Amino acid sequence: SAVISQKPSRDICQRGTSLTIQCQVDSQVTMMFWYRQQPGQSLTLIATANQGSEATYESGFVIDKFPISRPNLTFSTLTVSNMSPEDSSIYLCSVEEPLGGGTDTQYFGPGTRLTVL
Amino acid sequence: AQSVTQLDSQVPVFEEAPVELRCNYSSSVSVYLFWYVQYPNQGLQLLLKYLSGSTLVKGINGFEAEFNKSQTSFHLRKPSVHISDTAEYFCAVRGSGTYKYIFGTGTRLKVLA
Repeated sequence: SAVISQKPSRDICQRGTSLTIQCQVDSQVTMMFWYRQQPGQSLTLIATANQGSEATYESGFVIDKFPISRPNLTFSTLTVSNMSPEDSSIYLCSVEEPLGGGTDTQYFGPGTRLTVL
Repeated sequence: AQSVTQLDSQVPVFEEAPVELRCNYSSSVSVYLFWYVQYPNQGLQLLLKYLSGSTLVKGINGFEAEFNKSQTSFHLRKPSVHISDTAEYFCAVRGSGTYKYIFGTGTRLKVLA
């Protein structure tokens, strides 16, 4: 399976600021996903990022708040904008099997733990 | 649309005892089913998956799960747990023809010495 890394692993930020989270994969993948896991909660899909097209956002998530870039088949960023304490969560990226794998399985990065004061 | 229910939010069990973590799903289409484990302060790791074929699926760390279509269940089992199995376990479903995963609310397994 693909090896996924995220930066930063954790951060503490002030309200009103923005943080950009990076997700790097060691192989080319078509689909990348960004999830939020609020404290003690399950995972909620924020958006799907395909290379060469605009990200597709889930209900309740908007581009102005969570802009996403997908410049190539191995990299994506998620920005959490104008942060408030309610944005304190773990943010995880995930990918499908490597391009052409076709086994319909998502693999997850280690997550970014964000605390907003 | 799909949904997933994990009936137990917490399951305490003594070391070397068997454990079953329950997962039920609903879907109007064929599904793929997954179990992920999240150790403290880590991301999610795939334990096992059911895509097709044999309904009994074996995964890593001695875990297995059985897909039961008539009962719309995908319960996770291990015959003898270790302290190191203490973690949060998430069941997930994906409808065939879609890429979106729906996760359950998770079950916290606590293995006691």
